[in-house]
Formats: sequence, C-alpha cells, structure tokens
Amino acid sequence: SAVISQKPSRDICQRGTSLTIQCQVDSQVTMMFWYRQQPGQSLTLIATANQGSEATYESGFVIDKFPISRPNLTFSTLTVSNMSPEDSSIYLCSAQGWASGDSSYEQYFGPGTRLTVT
Amino acid sequence: QKEVEQNSGPLSVPEGAIASLNCTYSDRGSQSFFWYRQYSGKSPELIMFIYSNGDKEDGRFTAQLNKASQYVSLLIRDSQPSDSATYLCAVMDFNKFYFGSGTKLNVKP
Repeated sequence: SAVISQKPSRDICQRGTSLTIQCQVDSQVTMMFWYRQQPGQSLTLIATANQGSEATYESGFVIDKFPISRPNLTFSTLTVSNMSPEDSSIYLCSAQGWASGDSSYEQYFGPGTRLTVT
Repeated sequence: QKEVEQNSGPLSVPEGAIASLNCTYSDRGSQSFFWYRQYSGKSPELIMFIYSNGDKEDGRFTAQLNKASQYVSLLIRDSQPSDSATYLCAVMDFNKFYFGSGTKLNVKP
C-alpha cells in the first residue's frame, strides 16, 4: 500500500483568501484524486489530478475555484481559492495503483486537511 | 456521480455478534467494489474489495456481492468494540471511486 502525507493537517483561514494543500506519495502511482468530506458526510470526489496536464473535475467543481497541479507521479497540490465558510471541510488526497498481489486497483487516502474558513 | 446507497445507521450490535452492513449501487456495469473503515477524525482505510459474485473472506470480514441485485454487503464476525466506526462502500467505475454515505457501527461491550 502507498503511504500518503498531506500538509497542512489543519488550518483556519479568512474569507476571501486561498489555501494550497500539498500531497506526497511515497511511491509512483497511476492516479491521484482529491476529495472533500464535510462533517458527518461521505466523500465527494472533486477531481482527478492528471500528471503533466489539467485536472479532470467532477460536476459542481471548477478549476478557477479548485486549481490542481500534479507535476510528477508522486506529488499533487489542491488550492481552495477565494474561500468562503461553505468551503470549511476536510480535504483528502488519495492515490490509486495496481496491486499485483491482489490483482486489483486499490485506493489509499492521506490523513486529510481540516479547513475552517471564518 | 454514481449512486451508492447505504443505511446511515447507527447499527448497534453486542460484542461477539455478527455485524451486517449493506450497500446498493445504481450502475449495473460497475465491476469492482470496496469496503473502507473510517474512525472518527481519521481518513478511510481499505478493508477489502470484491469483484466476483459470491463471497470473499479475509479474517473476520466477509464481503458478499450480488451483481444481479446490485447489492454488496460486509459481514464482520465476532464483532469487537474496536470495530466501532463508519463503514464506507465504494464502487469503482473507469478508475474513479464513488462512495456511499457510510454506515455507523457501534459494537457494545
């Protein structure tokens, strides 16, 4: 399994500012994703971070609000732009790779970034 | 996004009992299914996956898949208080994972 780190682990930000979250994986993975999880809710996929090209966003999420970079196979960033209190959530990075031992794709999660917007 | 439905619970079972968690999905073409466990304040951790009809066992966990009924379940035998968590069902389609809302499990000592 991949080990994923994220930073910051938490932050409190003011309305109108932006925060960039970093995600580092300890091995090369085929795909990386960004999710949002609001308290007591499930995970909502924001986008697929594509290496060397623009991210693929899910319905309801746009690049201007959530710009994403993935310069190589082990690192990605998510920026939450022009924040409002509605952006308060946990943001999770995940990495997906082929587990040959299990003959399946497997997806693992970072520890998350808890964002509070005041 | 794909629809993955779970009963939010909470599901309460006594220690030592079998906990049964259920999940239905909307896309008949879905091929791979995953169960994650999430403790409060922590990120989800993969328990097991299944992609063939029938049962798959891993220790105290058994995943069951019925593609005709679009139904996947997770059985936890000999439930322990440490199993108390939210269990998330996920469906993989075209390399993306779609998650249900999770079922909260309470195992009472």
